[in-house]
Amino acid sequence: QSALTQPASVSGSPGQSITISCTGTSSDVGGYTLVSWYQQHPGKAPQLLIYDVSKRPSGVSNRFSGSKSGNTASLTISGLQAEDEADYYCSSYTSSSTWVFGGGTKLTVL
Amino acid sequence: EVQVVESGGGLVQPGRSLRLSCTASGFTFGDFAMSWFRQAPGKGLEWVGFIRSKAYGGTTEHAASVKGRLTISRDDSKSIAYLQMNSLKTEDTAVYYCTRDLGNYYGSGSDYWGQGTLVTVSS
Repeated sequence: QSALTQPASVSGSPGQSITISCTGTSSDVGGYTLVSWYQQHPGKAPQLLIYDVSKRPSGVSNRFSGSKSGNTASLTISGLQAEDEADYYCSSYTSSSTWVFGGGTKLTVL
Repeated sequence: EVQVVESGGGLVQPGRSLRLSCTASGFTFGDFAMSWFRQAPGKGLEWVGFIRSKAYGGTTEHAASVKGRLTISRDDSKSIAYLQMNSLKTEDTAVYYCTRDLGNYYGSGSDYWGQGTLVTVSS
């Protein structure tokens, strides 16, 4: 299963909104409502931000939202803050009964 | 407080075996699927596999890249998930994370992660 496609980097200024895309195929992102997003700060374990395309675990800020259209899922971060600077990964269930990740996106807060 | 703690990592020679343990607490372990992920130094996240709860058969799924060499199991009486790693290769070098999975049959998102345990495969 090929990795999902994410932009290598995105950037934004404090207070702005940014969107990270995650493109797959009809065999993964497009075929299931099972897409997750994780945030990872350097040297730390990942943290779940979004699961099942658009659900937020308790304790995750509502500044983080997820959506999907066709074979592309998206993570939107609104009201960008300095602490949002991190790596972001998408993940999707696949028709092979496995999960596949995107390559990760480095978010820089200017 | 929910916690998952990995142990068992270390330096191992290519071709040898290693077993990682994931000790969970703070929740009813048997009610949840558990997943393993790994992250090679400086690289992205990779899904290794997961094991369903007994209510969903206790069956496993593994990534194609590790199938047949890395095997997940669980002991609900001890609240421990295991990752048995056989015929290790240098490309298995990574930090291995154990997680609690929100999904049941298919998996979903992993809401609790351990701190990770480093496995280094080298001669």
